[in-house]
Amino acid sequence: DIQMTQSPSSLSASVGDSVTITCRASQTIYSYLNWYQHKPGKAPKLLIYAASSLQSGVPSRFSGGGSGTEFTLTINGLQPEDFATYYCQQSYSTPTFGQGTKLEIK
Amino acid sequence: EVQLVESGGGFQKPGGSLRLSCAASGFTFASHAMNWFRQAPGKGLQWVSTISGSADTTHYADSVKGRFTISRDYSKNTVYMQMNSLRAEDTAVYFCARSEGYSGSRTYADYWGQGTLVTVSS
Repeated sequence: DIQMTQSPSSLSASVGDSVTITCRASQTIYSYLNWYQHKPGKAPKLLIYAASSLQSGVPSRFSGGGSGTEFTLTINGLQPEDFATYYCQQSYSTPTFGQGTKLEIK
Repeated sequence: EVQLVESGGGFQKPGGSLRLSCAASGFTFASHAMNWFRQAPGKGLQWVSTISGSADTTHYADSVKGRFTISRDYSKNTVYMQMNSLRAEDTAVYFCARSEGYSGSRTYADYWGQGTLVTVSS
């Protein structure tokens, strides 16, 4: 299976800050990379698909980039509702997720 | 509005069985592959299984292959996961999710349910 590694594992930031989460694949996955947001007790939410396409209804402060083996999720101007855990997931082969990045309020 | 509602979770002893259900509404059920994912306590998300729109293709994670069976009922717009030979490591919240597209391959899960908890313990 393709291994996905996210960094950092946790992150503290303030409302209004900009943050970037990185996701690396153990082999090329072209642009088959998706980003999800998950809050405790809630359904995970798709944010970005195909590395850089914004899912309908997701605020434009979320953006994704990268291809091959290195990808980023950037949130510009953090809002209170953005504090959650974020996962990358590759869909090039058997789906696998990164270990998650927990974004906490500073 | 797309809605996915899971049910069937609960407590079971090792070696036992459970059947999870996912009732889908708000979209053309046969046009989308469907998935099960899970999240063990304190852990991240893990893909478990996918069934194509026509149910002619199914895929499983190695950890559940031979023990779990995914299926779908078009008359009820429901996806099932039959879980046999349960192990302690199957303890998790199980999420149902819709794939964008028919095949379930090289795509993404665009809608998710809130999950149902499965606990396996002696």
